[in-house]
Amino acid sequence: GAGVSQSPRYKVAKRGQDVALRCDPISGHVSLFWYQQALGQGPEFLTYFQNEAQLDKSGLPSDRFFAERPEGSVSTLKIQRTQQEDSAVYLCASSLDTSYEQYFGPGTRLTVT
Amino acid sequence: ILNVEQSPQSLHVQEGDSTNFTCSFPSSNFYALHWYRWETAKSPEALFVMTLNGDEKKKGRISATLNTKEGYSYLYIKGSQPEDSATYLCASSSATNKLIFGTGTLLAVQP
Repeated sequence: GAGVSQSPRYKVAKRGQDVALRCDPISGHVSLFWYQQALGQGPEFLTYFQNEAQLDKSGLPSDRFFAERPEGSVSTLKIQRTQQEDSAVYLCASSLDTSYEQYFGPGTRLTVT
Repeated sequence: ILNVEQSPQSLHVQEGDSTNFTCSFPSSNFYALHWYRWETAKSPEALFVMTLNGDEKKKGRISATLNTKEGYSYLYIKGSQPEDSATYLCASSSATNKLIFGTGTLLAVQP
C-alpha cells in the first residue's frame, strides 16, 4: 500500500516568501506529526494532530509557522515570511493512534536563500 | 540525562564487520524507545519499538536491547553490508507518542 507522501520534495524560497508544505498520511491513520530536522541535528517535534484537532503545537518555533489538517487526512505546514534559519528538512509522520509506530514520509528539503 | 544522545556520531567499517551504537535517554517518564534507519533521499524506516526493561528485538542481522532503569539502548549489526549504510536514529517517546530524537549515527560500510 501507499506510504506517507510529501510534496514538494525540494523547495527553494527567497527570504520573506511564504511556503506551504503538504503531507498525505497513510489512509485511516488518526495521528499526524510534523518534525523539523536542521543540518547536523536530529528531527525535532513541531506539532501533532489527532484527526482534525491540533492537540499539541508546542514545538512550532514562531507564529510564522502554522499547520492545519481540516478534514482529518491531508495536512499542510505553512511558513510565512521565511527566514534563513527555517532551512531544514520537514518530515511528516502518521500513525494509527498515538500508541502506535509512526510511519514517515521522505521529507521536504526547504532552502531559504 | 536530559536529552536523547547517540554515539558515535559516525562510523566507518569494512563489509563483514559487526558494529554497535549506543542511545542514552532520560529514564523518567519513559514510554517507548524507537530505532529508525534513514537512507539518503528515502523515508526513515522503523526498525524497532521497545517498551519493557530488558526487551531484546531482532530483525535479520540487526538486533537491539533496552535498559529503561539506566536509560540506554544498544543497536547491533552483525556482518555489516554496504546496503546497511545509513543514518540510524533513536527516539524516546512519552504517552502522547511525541518523539524526541538523538542526532543519529551515520554508518558507512565499505565493500
